[in-house]
Amino acid sequence: GAVVSQHPSWVICKSGTSVKIECRSLDFQATTMFWYRQFPKQSLMLMATSNEGSKATYEQGVEKDKFLINHASLTLSTLTVTSAHPEDSSFYICSVEVPNNYGYTFGSGTRLTVV
Amino acid sequence: DQQVKQNSPSLSVQEGRISILNCDYTNSMFDYFLWYKKYPAEGPTFLISISSIKDKNEDGRFTVFLNKSAKHLSLHIVPSQPGDSAVYFCAASSGAGSYQLTFGKGTKLSVIP
Repeated sequence: GAVVSQHPSWVICKSGTSVKIECRSLDFQATTMFWYRQFPKQSLMLMATSNEGSKATYEQGVEKDKFLINHASLTLSTLTVTSAHPEDSSFYICSVEVPNNYGYTFGSGTRLTVV
Repeated sequence: DQQVKQNSPSLSVQEGRISILNCDYTNSMFDYFLWYKKYPAEGPTFLISISSIKDKNEDGRFTVFLNKSAKHLSLHIVPSQPGDSAVYFCAASSGAGSYQLTFGKGTKLSVIP
């Protein structure tokens, strides 16, 4: 149980375009999902907390207009990188809190390359 | 200010020997600690966790030790296997409704056959 599906696993896009990344909890409902970003040789950095039915909470320094998060249902959160630039190239990972279990399940991650 | 620190960026261990990965933290509000393993281009996978009310938790080849007074925890892998080669992240969380994880920078473990 507690499977999280993240899609796509990798994407290449042109500068100026937008990319949507999906994070789905497959066998449980998730009111809260977290979006992380990893830079090469660096730790995971929390970008935002996605709350079902309400606005996401962004960490300091993360542009909310650039990284749009939508958590429209209890099983789906999306992260849209708008007007992508090469510096947005990174590895993005979602994490979901598992109900009734003090633990987290991570998605498989999305490698974004902006050219 | 980094609240979770993994001071060794890399570690090499011979197959069959013990791997010890260390983690220090500064926030005394942390009460739950987790270790994650990450292969390149994949999301982290949960390995083992420990609550602050314990000082040791064991699961197969993996054991986590917690020293609260020193604000230090360690992950022991014994015996180490080549498939254990990965980046290991230490993470911490505080209670009171906060479920966000604070990660260390990771330690790359290489197990040499």
